[in-house]
Amino acid sequence: NAGVTQTPKFRILKIGQSMTLQCAQDMNHNYMYWYRQDPGMGLKLIYYSVGAGITDKGEVPNGYNVSRSTTEDFPLRLELAAPSQTSVYFCASSYRGGSSYNSPLHFGNGTRLTVT
Amino acid sequence: RKEVEQDPGPFNVPEGATVAFNCTYSNSASQSFFWYRQDCRKEPKLLMSVYSSGNEDGRFTAQLNRASQYISLLIRDSKLSDSATYLCVVNEDSGAGSYQLTFGKGTKLSVIP
Repeated sequence: NAGVTQTPKFRILKIGQSMTLQCAQDMNHNYMYWYRQDPGMGLKLIYYSVGAGITDKGEVPNGYNVSRSTTEDFPLRLELAAPSQTSVYFCASSYRGGSSYNSPLHFGNGTRLTVT
Repeated sequence: RKEVEQDPGPFNVPEGATVAFNCTYSNSASQSFFWYRQDCRKEPKLLMSVYSSGNEDGRFTAQLNRASQYISLLIRDSKLSDSATYLCVVNEDSGAGSYQLTFGKGTKLSVIP
């Protein structure tokens, strides 16, 4: 049981390039989330999904896209990378929604992205 | 706008000390509350939920004050391994099923030998 797996761990992009951050979980969780964390700042929700085929915007969705074709996978796409997207990206999953006391968020190890 | 405020610290305390963190939240409709722990350059992990009546887990005690809209975390007999950033996390019931948590910026704790 690997939990939540994110790839890559590190990436440097040039302005205007695109990339996909991969996230997979093997816990059969319906809920999946993408957060970004800037230095000294709290985690900000980018997108979330409550099940396969369903996605919705979080607090900071601009510049990103997601898809959820399977329960296991929730990739995050950056189409035109900008320096403002330099951050650490965390994928997370939960069984019943992270707001439930019995259903905490399980985070991946994070992807450190630098856009120059 | 939902806000969760924490003292960023750092709190530098000697081993064995008792330390307390507070966190305030702006939305009185907030429904559930958590403390997550984040080690340096690692992912956050749930430390404990915060229940209305307060709750304890070993050396850790969490309390909620709805009237004043703050939650607290008390760590007794601090260990070196407690050194981390502690994130206050609040959920607001949006009425349509609630999936969005608001994270504080975190309070950094360093326990010194």
